[in-house]
Amino acid sequence: DQQVKQNSPSLSVQEGRISILNCDYTNSMFDYFLWYKKYPAEGPTFLISISSIKDKNEDGRFTVFLNKSAKHLSLHIVPSQPGDSAVYFCAASESGNQFYFGTGTSLTVIP
Amino acid sequence: EPEVTQTPSHQVTQMGQEVILRCVPISNHLYFYWYRQILGQKVEFLVSFYNNEISEKSEIFDDQFSVERPDGSNFTLKIRSTKLEDSAMYFCASSPRPDGEKLFFGSGTQLSVL
Repeated sequence: DQQVKQNSPSLSVQEGRISILNCDYTNSMFDYFLWYKKYPAEGPTFLISISSIKDKNEDGRFTVFLNKSAKHLSLHIVPSQPGDSAVYFCAASESGNQFYFGTGTSLTVIP
Repeated sequence: EPEVTQTPSHQVTQMGQEVILRCVPISNHLYFYWYRQILGQKVEFLVSFYNNEISEKSEIFDDQFSVERPDGSNFTLKIRSTKLEDSAMYFCASSPRPDGEKLFFGSGTQLSVL
């Protein structure tokens, strides 16, 4: 049951350009969404969240967009930096208890 | 910055053996979770825990699994009789809020069942 999907397993972007990571979900009851970054041999690190009452949330270089009608969210990183190279997971929840994770997108930012 | 710590970082065990994975959540957090990630697959929810009780558990969390907060600081996951398919990276997480915002994850315990 793939309730959360990240269809791009990998993405390469030049330093300074925009990185756009996409995530789709199937459960219309999901009302809370998170993005995590994960380096090898480390646990996921929280990046940014958005609730279903918003369609955009911004934190520094990171912006998350939510399109509820399309059941789609995206993470924009501007400008991309080499240190952003990691695996990015989106996660979704109904009321915040159990989060369903996507399979991740491996971002490589090329200097 | 406070962090969630997990021990051991790697655990190798024989099939059928019991294992206990240990976690020390962030001290003022009240909500605790276990997730796991099988190699090459997505991170999966196992269980959430609050006020010394399981709040929610997934289908994965069957009778072979149990969680405990034996004292004020530790949060443990026990697998009673390990199976080969239990091999995975197990992540503990804690949160100050019930809605799961800003789950703080530990660095994981890599469990290998032989």
